[in-house]
Amino acid sequence: NAGVTQTPKFQVLKTGQSMTLQCAQDMNHNSMYWYRQDPGMGLRLIYYSASEGTTDKGEVPNGYNVSRLNKREFSLRLESAAPSQTSVYFCASSGRTGTTYGYTFGSGTRLTVV
Amino acid sequence: GQQLNQSPQSMFIQEGEDVSMNCTSSSIFNTWLWYKQEPGEGPVLLIALYKAGELTSNGRLTAQFGITRKDSFLNISASIPSDVGIYFCAGMNYGGSQGNLIFGKGTKLSVKP
Repeated sequence: NAGVTQTPKFQVLKTGQSMTLQCAQDMNHNSMYWYRQDPGMGLRLIYYSASEGTTDKGEVPNGYNVSRLNKREFSLRLESAAPSQTSVYFCASSGRTGTTYGYTFGSGTRLTVV
Repeated sequence: GQQLNQSPQSMFIQEGEDVSMNCTSSSIFNTWLWYKQEPGEGPVLLIALYKAGELTSNGRLTAQFGITRKDSFLNISASIPSDVGIYFCAGMNYGGSQGNLIFGKGTKLSVKP
């Protein structure tokens, strides 16, 4: 089925460890996004990529880096994980199909930093 | 920055009742989206609104894009147990194929059979 695929689904890190969250979409969308979701905070934008080859900071970029590897893939990297980065991370992609605008989320990566 | 106020924060209703929730913004949007999120899953798009005043239905769900472009409403008629979840509004000003969503903090819906 078409959509957004995130890996891994679950991860536990020790403080200071690094890891990369992977995201891929097969809807030929130009734009991709990384959000984090914390209890009572809704979803907050970390970084986004409006098109292949470009990335921009969102609302909460500190402690993260991103790479738009190609049109399909957008990865999020934590260089030195901190407990404050314990959260659920969602990747999303967006683009036009005819006159409608699609904005689709993956199923999330649940990250715990101890 | 832009902020969305979504209310109510939570609702406990009886099966069969109608539900209303709304979002207001400090600034205007050209698109409003309503999502539902179930435990362990990502948000799933329910309704998208693209024009001020637009009223759109998806089954028992009806959403409206406020005339002022600063608010939106979602109604669920004749609720059923599978309506349980967290409902998020999101506003966006998109250009071309890109737009950054601003999310409300969600309305948690519980339905008692």
